[in-house]
Amino acid sequence: GEDVEQSLFLSVREGDSSVINCTYTDSSSTYLYWYKQEPGAGLQLLTYIFSNMDMKQDQRLTVLLNKKDKHLSLRIADTQTGDSAIYFCAEKANRDDKIIFGKGTRLHILP
Amino acid sequence: EAEVAQSPRYKITEKSQAVAFWCDPISGHATLYWYRQILGQGPELLVQFQDESVVDDSQLPKDRFSAERLKGVDSTLKIQPAELGDSAMYLCASSPRLAGLYGYTFGSGTRLTVV
Repeated sequence: GEDVEQSLFLSVREGDSSVINCTYTDSSSTYLYWYKQEPGAGLQLLTYIFSNMDMKQDQRLTVLLNKKDKHLSLRIADTQTGDSAIYFCAEKANRDDKIIFGKGTRLHILP
Repeated sequence: EAEVAQSPRYKITEKSQAVAFWCDPISGHATLYWYRQILGQGPELLVQFQDESVVDDSQLPKDRFSAERLKGVDSTLKIQPAELGDSAMYLCASSPRLAGLYGYTFGSGTRLTVV
């Protein structure tokens, strides 16, 4: 079956790097995503990675994919107060167009 | 920048009443999704449309929930009768015919409170 797991909370000091981890179970996943949700808002696509990639960098964001271990991580460099949000890991299988979301990791920024 | 429009933004309804939510996807997006997000959880797919046809409604509680996208553009999700456990954020999303590269674009959601 399809399942996406991530830790529920992460606290990081402003200026440090944040690393949010995720594991998934579906080995046929072709796309993996990170979404950001600010309070009371919908989900915003932050970045994605193809299953045949190991790493993707986009400004302060670095996504690492270990396909063997089905492990995905999102690193946010120089974490700012505006990064405070819930971050969802998500996967899409090759067989259909459905995206499965994890429960989300709440990122709290310490001054 | 194109957006997915949803209304109302907030809805409070009494148990056993009917409630409806509306979604207008990004123009040209063939695929439309309704998700339910219970507080503290990730979004869970309720129904997926491809144009006007339902592709997946396996997680939709069909005894009380219904969804339609009659002309393949905007969509309505209805709950009748509402129950206390239906309190959640209802998110609409849309994507081009193949979501892959682009993921979904989400609306701001409708927060439903059933009292």
